[in-house]
Amino acid sequence: NAGVTQTPKFQVLKTGQSMTLQCAQDMNHEYMSWYRQDPGMGLRLIHYSVGAGITDQGEVPNGYNVSRSTTEDFPLRLLSAAPSQTSVYFCASSKDGPELANYGYTFGSGTRLTVV
Amino acid sequence: AQSVSQHNHHVILSEAASLELGCNYSYGGTVNLFWYVQYPGQHLQLLLKYFSGDPLVKGIKGFEAEFIKSKFSFNLRKPSVQWSDTAEYFCAVNTYGNNRLAFGKGNQVVVIP
Repeated sequence: NAGVTQTPKFQVLKTGQSMTLQCAQDMNHEYMSWYRQDPGMGLRLIHYSVGAGITDQGEVPNGYNVSRSTTEDFPLRLLSAAPSQTSVYFCASSKDGPELANYGYTFGSGTRLTVV
Repeated sequence: AQSVSQHNHHVILSEAASLELGCNYSYGGTVNLFWYVQYPGQHLQLLLKYFSGDPLVKGIKGFEAEFIKSKFSFNLRKPSVQWSDTAEYFCAVNTYGNNRLAFGKGNQVVVIP
């Protein structure tokens, strides 16, 4: 049971480039979300999804797109990378939404992104 | 929107000392409360949670937290820390009917052997 798998683990982009961060879970979790972690800022919610075909914005959605075509996958797309998007990105999943997450979230191991 | 405050971002203490990390939230309705831990180079792991019932909850590795509704607080405690408790600790709050989990900014805890 792999849990939540994120790829790549590290990435360097040039300003203006686009890329997709991958997130996949094999636990049949309905709820998935993307966070970015910055020093002194904690984790901030970018986008989340309560099930296939349903996505919504979090606190800091600008510059990012998501889609949820399957239950397993929840990719995060950077449309035109900017240095301000340098961060560590975490994907998390849960069987239900956070209010019913009896076991909390399961987090991926993160993607460290640097935009130069 | 709910917000979560964690104070004393950096904490340095010696082994066997007691640890208490404060967490306050801003929402007045029904809340679910969590503490997560992130060991160096690793992803976040659930330490403990509170949904309802006994306001004193016990988690893994000897940690406990107390929910005080009147103070909007959910402080984390450990009576005697070990070097292996060096990590960053995050408080998180979810409000009933809301699909979002809000995190505090974290407490960086360093335990000196």
